[in-house]
Amino acid sequence: ELKVEQNPLFLSMQEEKNYTIYCNYSTTSDRLYWYRQDPGKSLESLFVLLSNGAVKQEGRLMASLDTKARLSTLHITAAVHDLSATYFCAVGATRISNFGNEKLTFGTGTRLTIIP
Amino acid sequence: DAGVIQSPRHEVTEMGQEVTLRCKPISGHDYLFWYRQTMMRGLELLIYFNNNVPIDDSGMPEDRFSAKMPNASFSTLKIQPSEPRDSAVYFCASSLASEANTEAFFGQGTRLTVV
Repeated sequence: ELKVEQNPLFLSMQEEKNYTIYCNYSTTSDRLYWYRQDPGKSLESLFVLLSNGAVKQEGRLMASLDTKARLSTLHITAAVHDLSATYFCAVGATRISNFGNEKLTFGTGTRLTIIP
Repeated sequence: DAGVIQSPRHEVTEMGQEVTLRCKPISGHDYLFWYRQTMMRGLELLIYFNNNVPIDDSGMPEDRFSAKMPNASFSTLKIQPSEPRDSAVYFCASSLASEANTEAFFGQGTRLTVV
């Protein structure tokens, strides 16, 4: 059974600081997704990482994937208040077809609070 | 496109009643997923469909839960009879099979409270 673990579960950061959220998973996969969820809202797709060594950046967020280590990181640079949210990683491990979609197993989420 | 549309947004019902949650996926998407989110268990996949056919319902908690997708633009998740432990936020998501990008797009969710 695929297990996806995130740490930390809770993170309070001061503005302008840098930090990293870690996502470990238990079985082989080359597809990893990061989502953001604001309180009471839906999940918003942030990054799709499709191969070993993939790195994607959007604004102050950068995500990377190391399939050998079964690890993805979400790095936050110079945090600002509007980044406060819960961040989820999700791993796709059951390919439905050669180019199909997969069941996503979600991590526990990291609740990020940026303190002014 | 308006995205994945779910209804109702909020539902409060009494224990024992039947509850039906509805979902309209993004037009053209061929996969539809139902997830449940709770504080204790996080996000759990309940069932998913491909081209309106249920592929895997192993996440459906018990026989009280059923899901249908009568056509490409509509799906329902039904709970009968409902119980307080079914209280959660239920999300529907859809995606399009593609080599390049397989991300799932989520609806706004239905917050279900069973009293």
